[in-house]
Amino acid sequence: QQPVQSPQAVILREGEDAVINCSSSKALYSVHWYRQKHGEAPVFLMILLKGGEQKGHDKISASFNEKKQQSSLYLTASQLSYSGTYFCGTGYNNNDMRFGAGTRLTVKP
Amino acid sequence: DSGVTQTPKHLITATGQRVTLRCSPRSGDLSVYWYQQSLDQGLQFLIQYYNGEERAKGNILERFSAQQFPDLHSELNLSSLELGDSALYFCASSFRDLNTGELFFGEGSRLTVL
Repeated sequence: QQPVQSPQAVILREGEDAVINCSSSKALYSVHWYRQKHGEAPVFLMILLKGGEQKGHDKISASFNEKKQQSSLYLTASQLSYSGTYFCGTGYNNNDMRFGAGTRLTVKP
Repeated sequence: DSGVTQTPKHLITATGQRVTLRCSPRSGDLSVYWYQQSLDQGLQFLIQYYNGEERAKGNILERFSAQQFPDLHSELNLSSLELGDSALYFCASSFRDLNTGELFFGEGSRLTVL
């Protein structure tokens, strides 16, 4: 039930773009994206619901393809503050949230 | 500050011992989730409670148990501790269901088993 994230790690220069993918083998109700800085708690970025919605948050946006049971997180014109580990969380019902293994993003000057 | 409070922040104990981790959810949140994060690993879902009732169970060992009390705070009990139980344990809360709301994470309780 745990979603699969790719890539495992990404290294970028400031201003570059990145895409993080998340896929599930089961039908999804929702997809959540969180970012965790080293030694800190994960922080919510956005939620996507069934219906193929694409949401955005500043220069970070995401899409959800419910037919393919996939979601992608798009980071454009990356900033140093984007560094951290990104987790997708998949909701299969209203109750539990399973997270992928995470994608470690490093943005260098 | 997410509004979720976890205590203790740090805990060092020996193998074979038992510990209790406590979580107070955000005011008004009915659901509490517990996650285990081993060093540089992902978030492993342990268990979820909604308004005092267990709603979902993940990869929680039989040596671990949890409950949510009438005041909605939750406790995670870890017994017969092993070295491999050393990890950061996060509690998260949400108002009701995950299709409309986000998870708010506490700062975690770091458990070290020696």
